[in-house]
Amino acid sequence: GAVVSQHPSWVICKSGTSVKIECRSLDFQATTMFWYRQFPKQSLMLMATSNEGSKATYEQGVEKDKFLINHASLTLSTLTVTSAHPEDSSFYICSAKNTRKETQYFGPGTRLLVL
Amino acid sequence: DAKTTQPPSMDCAEGRAANLPCNHSTISGNEYVYWYRQIHSQGPQYIIHGLKNNETNEMASLIITEDRKSSTLILPHATLRDTAVYYCIVGPQGGSEKLVFGKGTKLTVNP
Repeated sequence: GAVVSQHPSWVICKSGTSVKIECRSLDFQATTMFWYRQFPKQSLMLMATSNEGSKATYEQGVEKDKFLINHASLTLSTLTVTSAHPEDSSFYICSAKNTRKETQYFGPGTRLLVL
Repeated sequence: DAKTTQPPSMDCAEGRAANLPCNHSTISGNEYVYWYRQIHSQGPQYIIHGLKNNETNEMASLIITEDRKSSTLILPHATLRDTAVYYCIVGPQGGSEKLVFGKGTKLTVNP
């Protein structure tokens, strides 16, 4: 299989607080993971590429100090939304590269609502 | 920007084959065609991918034209659970590169 999990599946937080989202590859090792964001009625937009043991690469327009990414092991990457604001409310989805199957597999997503 | 063009929506009767087209006229020689689908409020699900030969798995078949400028995803016997947005994406093999999602095709399977 190629299972990717995310935790939590949904979170509600107050404006100004930080939220951490975990992405795990359950049955394979992932040297590369990706973080996407999806607003209602829109397609997925890549935020950053996370490589195990090195700094993440952020897409243009994504603030690296606001969206902290850590990829400390071959099965876990975390995205921390710091000082969240209502405009950060979105559906956050991670994917992991499965080297053996030569493609990416996606997690179920985390819905964030900032009040 | 996405390198693919897909119709925004399609309908299909339950039990019939669903044929979803995709144009990728600027595809490079080393780029693969990937298909994913996203059921409402879930993460995208991998379906199939291919380079130039037709591919089949337990979910679908992928037909790529000889000039590789277009492809068709075939769901042989569509069910109501196949209602989703289907994304056709071109990219290098290996999965280590970012996937650029277009708007996809919203497939509605009707009873």
